Amino acid sequence: AQSVTQPDIHITVSEGASLELRCNYSYGATPYLFWYVQSPGQGLQLLLKYFSGDTLVQGIKGFEAEFKRSQSSFNLRKPSVHWSDAAEYFCAVVEMNTGFQKLVFGTGTRLLVSP
Amino acid sequence: DSGVTQTPKHLITATGQRVTLRCSPRSGDLSVYWYQQSLDQGLQFLIQYYNGEERAKGNILERFSAQQFPDLHSELNLSSLELGDSALYFCASSPGHWGEKLFFGSGTQLSVL
Repeated sequence: AQSVTQPDIHITVSEGASLELRCNYSYGATPYLFWYVQSPGQGLQLLLKYFSGDTLVQGIKGFEAEFKRSQSSFNLRKPSVHWSDAAEYFCAVVEMNTGFQKLVFGTGTRLLVSP
Repeated sequence: DSGVTQTPKHLITATGQRVTLRCSPRSGDLSVYWYQQSLDQGLQFLIQYYNGEERAKGNILERFSAQQFPDLHSELNLSSLELGDSALYFCASSPGHWGEKLFFGSGTQLSVL
């Protein structure tokens, strides 16, 4: 079965510093990849998605992600982190299953932003 | 605000009981998805309905069931509750059946005591 791995459970970044959150996927064909963010007490919100084409994808809130097939990765980046970015981030992949599809989420990375 | 409404926000009940969680999707969205989020299992897909019909099934227990009504709202029924069912249950909706972009509600926190 397809899966995603987020190796970092927690990451702490200073405000204004750059951020990279790691995501590795396991999928035979070209995956459809997503990053979602969950703020405390809230549901998940889509940050960006990759289906095909340009491997560098721009999302909302200044985030971007790069699809690297050779590394089976889809890492999320932001050049300068703001305190409001503190949240939990989930990488997800669409799983093909007998014609039906459902998102498979990673275990999440909790981002802490220090002053 | 995602436009997806879940009620109740919090639910406390005892083992062996049955509860119903309700979800109203965004206006115009035909698909409703249910997810369970717990510390040990993470975010797990339970089930998807599209325009009233079951579309995809994930790790949903036999004690759990769901349905989508003609007005497109959905209910998730959890019965014979166990301590391990304590979790945050999310509903999400999307315009089509593919799940290209999901809009999540803020969840129902279920505590089974």
